[in-house]
Amino acid sequence: DQQVKQNSPSLSVQEGRISILNCDYTNSMFDYFLWYKKYPAEGPTFLISISSIKDKNEDGRFTVFLNKSAKHLSLHIVPSQPGDSAVYFCAARVMNYGGSQGNLIFGKGTKLSVKP
Amino acid sequence: DGGITQSPKYLFRKEGQNVTLSCEQNLNHDAMYWYRQDPGQGLRLIYYSQIVNDFQKGDIAEGYSVSREKKESFPLTVTSAQKNPTAFYLCASSDAQYNEQFFGPGTRLTVL
Repeated sequence: DQQVKQNSPSLSVQEGRISILNCDYTNSMFDYFLWYKKYPAEGPTFLISISSIKDKNEDGRFTVFLNKSAKHLSLHIVPSQPGDSAVYFCAARVMNYGGSQGNLIFGKGTKLSVKP
Repeated sequence: DGGITQSPKYLFRKEGQNVTLSCEQNLNHDAMYWYRQDPGQGLRLIYYSQIVNDFQKGDIAEGYSVSREKKESFPLTVTSAQKNPTAFYLCASSDAQYNEQFFGPGTRLTVL
């Protein structure tokens, strides 16, 4: 069973507009969420994260929103640029007992295409 | 430059042969991970190691083996027991103090 779901395999957006990528999760024990960006034939690069004690985190053009009651997070990119075209993975982590880092659970990714 | 290196970038092997994928990091990270990515799939965890000389199975460990003799290195062996080894393999590492995993560039393994 998928604990982290990205239900949209692809998203197409016009340059300059907002891109909204969505992620749903089922495990209420997740305490930290991350977004990674991946280009073909390359490793993912970390983009932005959010702790479960917050509902918003912003870094430049990227903002992540967390709605714990709905078990939903979203990544907003504004304004979108052609260089943002990539696959975006949502990931979540369960805090291990004792506070040590846990493993990441990844969604299947959403391919974003930003058209000039 | 600090980072994670994986070699080779592309690897071809005949069916039935074992093959070892290299992963090295100079970030002084304690934890290292191996993932597999298939088309249309997320990253699935094969093995991970939180400390030298210790490693744990991930979600899809069957047909794979690892070792962690040095902090900097975490090689992955794809054995002949792995039924569908053709995939893109990603190595990652993280510091115990931080939450983000940093990924290497990946190795595309094709078994002919």
